[in-house]
Amino acid sequence: GAGVSQSPSNKVTEKGKDVELRCDPISGHTALYWYRQSLGQGLEFLIYFQGNSAPDKSGLPSDRFSAERTGGSVSTLTIQRTQQEDSAVYLCASSLVRGPTEAFFGQGTRLTVV
Amino acid sequence: DQQVKQNSPSLSVQEGRISILNCDYTNSMFDYFLWYKKYPAEGPTFLISISSIKDKNEDGRFTVFLNKSAKHLSLHIVPSQPGDSAVYFCAATSGNQFYFGTGTSLTVIP
Repeated sequence: GAGVSQSPSNKVTEKGKDVELRCDPISGHTALYWYRQSLGQGLEFLIYFQGNSAPDKSGLPSDRFSAERTGGSVSTLTIQRTQQEDSAVYLCASSLVRGPTEAFFGQGTRLTVV
Repeated sequence: DQQVKQNSPSLSVQEGRISILNCDYTNSMFDYFLWYKKYPAEGPTFLISISSIKDKNEDGRFTVFLNKSAKHLSLHIVPSQPGDSAVYFCAATSGNQFYFGTGTSLTVIP
């Protein structure tokens, strides 16, 4: 497809387990973003990748969160030792780098930690 | 520190009337502003944008106004339709990451 694809769409995990969330950005988009939306909250920035530059990790809430982007395309967000407060919808977006442009979002992964 | 703020968490409007959603920002370096619309269980979708060199951009029923001196932008929807009921996010960028507001839930009453 031509859009941003995220998998899985839903994930239920037990507290303390690790989870991996995947994002396939739009082909040709060199910028990739992860956001999360907790229940009743706005979009919280997590991490931003741009080309081969070092990612902006300033939004990661704790060292249990990490993300990588292999080959400048697919990205994986990993949450270690999940906690109940990690339950949220995790959204990935991608955009072109040059010029003013909009970011295109995937449908999100709904993570529930029980 | 929230650089983009939407101070109204919700708004209800009668069908056919105008909906006005507001957004304030603090960073004068932002040069591009966007509005996204989000339905439940879906990702946000781009709606309309405006460059900082303009003060108005119109697309059909949607118009975005930018007041740079006040660091304020607004989205006008006229006439409002029930299908417009969704959460609207304001976003701003200076070329790197996007900063989002907390969203305004719009309900258009038939």
